[in-house]
Amino acid sequence: GQQVMQIPQYQHVQEGEDFTTYCNSSTTLSNIQWYKQRPGGHPVFLIQLVKSGEVKKQKRLTFQFGEAKKNSSLHITATQTTDVGTYFCAGRLNQGGKLIFGQGTELSVKP
Amino acid sequence: DTAVSQTPKYLVTQMGNDKSIKCEQNLGHDTMYWYKQDSKKFLKIMFSYNNKELIINETVPNRFSPKSPDKAHLNLHINSLELGDSAVYFCASSQASRRPNTEAFFGQGTRLTVV
Repeated sequence: GQQVMQIPQYQHVQEGEDFTTYCNSSTTLSNIQWYKQRPGGHPVFLIQLVKSGEVKKQKRLTFQFGEAKKNSSLHITATQTTDVGTYFCAGRLNQGGKLIFGQGTELSVKP
Repeated sequence: DTAVSQTPKYLVTQMGNDKSIKCEQNLGHDTMYWYKQDSKKFLKIMFSYNNKELIINETVPNRFSPKSPDKAHLNLHINSLELGDSAVYFCASSQASRRPNTEAFFGQGTRLTVV
């Protein structure tokens, strides 16, 4: 079935280093969302991207949606220990369709 | 106030038992979901209800039966529990009818362990 692939599965960084997670779909997506799940917690919505080539920023986080609407990335500048958690992308094939989650990227940050 | 609340938070039970997980949302949303998160943290949708009507039913064993008594509640009943059912189950809700691409709000999860 339709899959949304996310890499890497794990990323260990030193505090202050940058971090990027990538999401790829074999099919064009209608839109893509990003969620963060802290250890022991539940997924929390971060942002949604809808337009081709869209770039959105939230403080140190930068989200991009590819021109073909098949890939997306989340980049964190100068990671902090509070960034620890698993980041998920979730795409929709069509408006109102179900969210298909990527496998998640687990970020750990060494102080 | 918790927006999407699930009970219980932890559930340990023996193989073969039947158990239920309850979910309630006070956001006024019209759509509710059950997701299963396995040990590798993969999140997979199981069911979706819109205004008490089942709209998504993924390939889930029929030992799993969702029930939505009203649009604020979506419970999950599991019969004849198996070891492989051990996972974290998340309930979520969204206002999908008015805003088809809106985000999902997740409950805190129920960690089910079958022994």
